[in-house]
Amino acid sequence: DAKTTQPPSMDCAEGRAANLPCNHSTISGNEYVYWYRQIHSQGPQYIIHGLKNNETNEMASLIITEDRKSSTLILPHATLRDTAVYYCIGSNAGGTSYGKLTFGQGTILTVHP
Amino acid sequence: SAVISQKPSRDICQRGTSLTIQCQVDSQVTMMFWYRQQPGQSLTLIATANQGSEATYESGFVIDKFPISRPNLTFSTLTVSNMSPEDSSIYLCSAQGLGTEAFFGQGTRLTVV
Repeated sequence: DAKTTQPPSMDCAEGRAANLPCNHSTISGNEYVYWYRQIHSQGPQYIIHGLKNNETNEMASLIITEDRKSSTLILPHATLRDTAVYYCIGSNAGGTSYGKLTFGQGTILTVHP
Repeated sequence: SAVISQKPSRDICQRGTSLTIQCQVDSQVTMMFWYRQQPGQSLTLIATANQGSEATYESGFVIDKFPISRPNLTFSTLTVSNMSPEDSSIYLCSAQGLGTEAFFGQGTRLTVV
């Protein structure tokens, strides 16, 4: 799995967009970029994933650079409940690695009132 | 989406004893995994639980310490054997079906005294 680098912490005001960056310069062509978050004392929650194209779902948007060396997770209108540790993970979605995730230290996002 | 139930949710155990953690998924899944999250740390994959055969362990984890069973497509157990205080962690079950992303249970918070 690709090594990812994320800032250890970020702050965001409630109601504003939260933009969480991730560097994955060693990602291979068949590795997807996954984002999960872990709210205190809970199991990780899937947010979104993508390969090349930008993706959007009801939770967030994922912007992947054209060279795939970095990406940004966007929470369009952050709420206090979005305070969590956010993990960016590069993972081969097939073969023997199917379902296996290598977690880094993630970014602690704190949303302030 | 599918739901994982883990039992127990938390436990306090004496050193030298063993604890078996159960993971039940409410639908059939292809892959099941066990992770450990030590205090203040990220998640580390322990092993892949293989249906009807021995689990596949990651580097640093051995079957004698963490025996795993997976008798069918919806159920797995992880045993933490001969526990020491260093085994105090959150243990998380994860599962993935065909065409879905990996999802997690709420974890088992283990304290060894």
